[in-house]
Amino acid sequence: ILNVEQSPQSLHVQEGDSTNFTCSFPSSNFYALHWYRWETAKSPEALFVMTLNGDEKKKGRISATLNTKEGYSYLYIKGSQPEDSATYLCALDYGQNFVFGPGTRLSVLP
Amino acid sequence: DAMVIQNPRYQVTQFGKPVTLSCSQTLNHNVMYWYQQKSSQAPKLLFHYYDKDFNNEADTPDNFQSRRPNTSFCFLDIRSPGLGDAAMYLCATSLYRGVGQPQHFGDGTRLSIL
Repeated sequence: ILNVEQSPQSLHVQEGDSTNFTCSFPSSNFYALHWYRWETAKSPEALFVMTLNGDEKKKGRISATLNTKEGYSYLYIKGSQPEDSATYLCALDYGQNFVFGPGTRLSVLP
Repeated sequence: DAMVIQNPRYQVTQFGKPVTLSCSQTLNHNVMYWYQQKSSQAPKLLFHYYDKDFNNEADTPDNFQSRRPNTSFCFLDIRSPGLGDAAMYLCATSLYRGVGQPQHFGDGTRLSIL
């Protein structure tokens, strides 16, 4: 099982700023990559599932890309809002199990 | 709303005293998972059930056991909790164990060991 890394570990941005963070993996022998948003005191919520190199997904102000050849996925948030404050987790889907990264904790300051 | 429910939200137990965490689901999903997450670390899969078929991860300590008496319920039993077992425990479900199936999570149980 490979290590999944996420960077930065945490960041603070001002309301209205756009931001992005990274999920990186040393090998692309997985079936899919998932992004989750985990707000404090709530359950992790599925954002995106990506399966193909070059995949791009978008939901409102949040989008994600996948580059399996270079071993990373980016999550972008345009015009951050306080309600975007959460931990963002990526997970590699091996079919039988997921391997999660440690997450990026985002704080959006009003 | 269909959901994954974990009880209790917070659990305190004594060193060495057995504890059981509960998960129930109304999604009628075939697969139920238990994860352990320690502070600032990645959630780590302990085991999962595909229907009644139990699948243990190779590095899950023997101290951790699980039961799934029916489709809706799954329990995590820690036989003799140690201080290192203090963590957030997440239950998740998925319809199938297939590629690209998202997992649906409960709110978690935070376990403290005295």
